[in-house]
Amino acid sequence: EDKVVQSPLSLVVHEGDTVTLNCSYEVTNFRSLLWYKQEKKAPTFLFMLTSSGIEKKSGRLSSILDKKELSSILNITATQTGDSAIYLCAVGYGGATNKLIFGTGTLLAVQP
Amino acid sequence: GAVVSQHPSRVICKSGTSVKIECRSLDFQATTMFWYRQFPKQSLMLMATSNEGSKATYEQGVEKDKFLINHASLTLSTLTVTSAHPEDSSFYICSATEFGGRSSYEQYFGPGTRLTVT
Repeated sequence: EDKVVQSPLSLVVHEGDTVTLNCSYEVTNFRSLLWYKQEKKAPTFLFMLTSSGIEKKSGRLSSILDKKELSSILNITATQTGDSAIYLCAVGYGGATNKLIFGTGTLLAVQP
Repeated sequence: GAVVSQHPSRVICKSGTSVKIECRSLDFQATTMFWYRQFPKQSLMLMATSNEGSKATYEQGVEKDKFLINHASLTLSTLTVTSAHPEDSSFYICSATEFGGRSSYEQYFGPGTRLTVT
């Protein structure tokens, strides 16, 4: 059965800390791995990764995919209270339609 | 760009009634729309995939007669929860992929609909 697992499930840090969120997957016909940030409502897109070893960056956030280890990490440096959210990892897999399977998410709380 | 809206944002209904949720892509044409359900402190679970003009494809365990999906145009999909029961109370989120977009895996999410069945 295809699955996406994220760790840790939750994390509490202080402003200014650096955090690393993990995502591992076992998905048949892997096509891409995506990271989303979910605050109170729907998820907002952060990154999509398709190639192993190429880091994607956006401000204080960065992510990299390791296809050999079937995993990805999301790094957030110099965390701010506005980074508090659930971070979701999703894997796109092949087939007739381009579906995503989501992980359980990591709840990040950044304290002042 | 790539904005998806949902209506209503919140609905409370009595057990046994039906509720319709609309999902619209506002500034793009959506090749495919997806419907998810999210229970508290859990991740998004895909319910069904819909393509304009064809029948929706439901995930295993999702009753198609209970969750009716209509995808009438490239910008509108509706989910109707028929004969709703308290266990159907959940957060329903739709997403869409853009026709001709940079990636068919990049889904744009609506703001979600909180359904409470009393």
